[in-house]
Amino acid sequence: GAVVSQHPSWVICKSGTSVKIECRSLDFQATTMFWYRQFPKQSLMLMATSNEGSKATYEQGVEKDKFLINHASLTLSTLTVTSAHPEDSSFYICSASESSDYGYTFGSGTRLTVV
Amino acid sequence: GDSVTQMEGPVTLSEEAFLTINCTYTATGYPSLFWYVQYPGEGLQLLLKATKADDKGSNKGFEATYRKETTSFHLEKGSVQVSDSAVYFCALLYGNKLVFGAGTILRVKS
Repeated sequence: GAVVSQHPSWVICKSGTSVKIECRSLDFQATTMFWYRQFPKQSLMLMATSNEGSKATYEQGVEKDKFLINHASLTLSTLTVTSAHPEDSSFYICSASESSDYGYTFGSGTRLTVV
Repeated sequence: GDSVTQMEGPVTLSEEAFLTINCTYTATGYPSLFWYVQYPGEGLQLLLKATKADDKGSNKGFEATYRKETTSFHLEKGSVQVSDSAVYFCALLYGNKLVFGAGTILRVKS
């Protein structure tokens, strides 16, 4: 079946630095990728939708200058948390879709801790 | 807008007990409905889905039926195992976006 690889699975960074998270579709071409944020014991909050070759669409309240999304190819999307602060600490999950008819495959998530 | 409401957890059951996790939705039109499962420290895995009214999704002993008249998609399993302990999310597809419920923690005791 479809596989989405997310890397790294966990990262600790210092406050003020930037962190890049990669999301790759391994056996299919993902025209659309989604980035979610999940707080402890809470549901997934959609942050943005990225389409290959175009700018990401951010959900209301998500700072596009802080959470930079690049979807440069049909198999790779990246989320860069810029100038990270402790409040950015969270679990970030990506998902990818070849088309909505095929469903959505999720990565295994990245635990970001900003100290 | 479209939304999903799940029963609050945690739900604690003994092994081999019957499981029901309630899910209701609000939507314009007839969305596809999903159940996802999340094990500790992992991403989400699709458990089952239904794309139209009266469809029954099933997988690994879990079932859910798309009920248009009650706008529900309740998850059931006849006999749970300890390995079923996880967080379960009900979701609907709105356009090309998934809208998730709050999630229900399931704990199964041996």
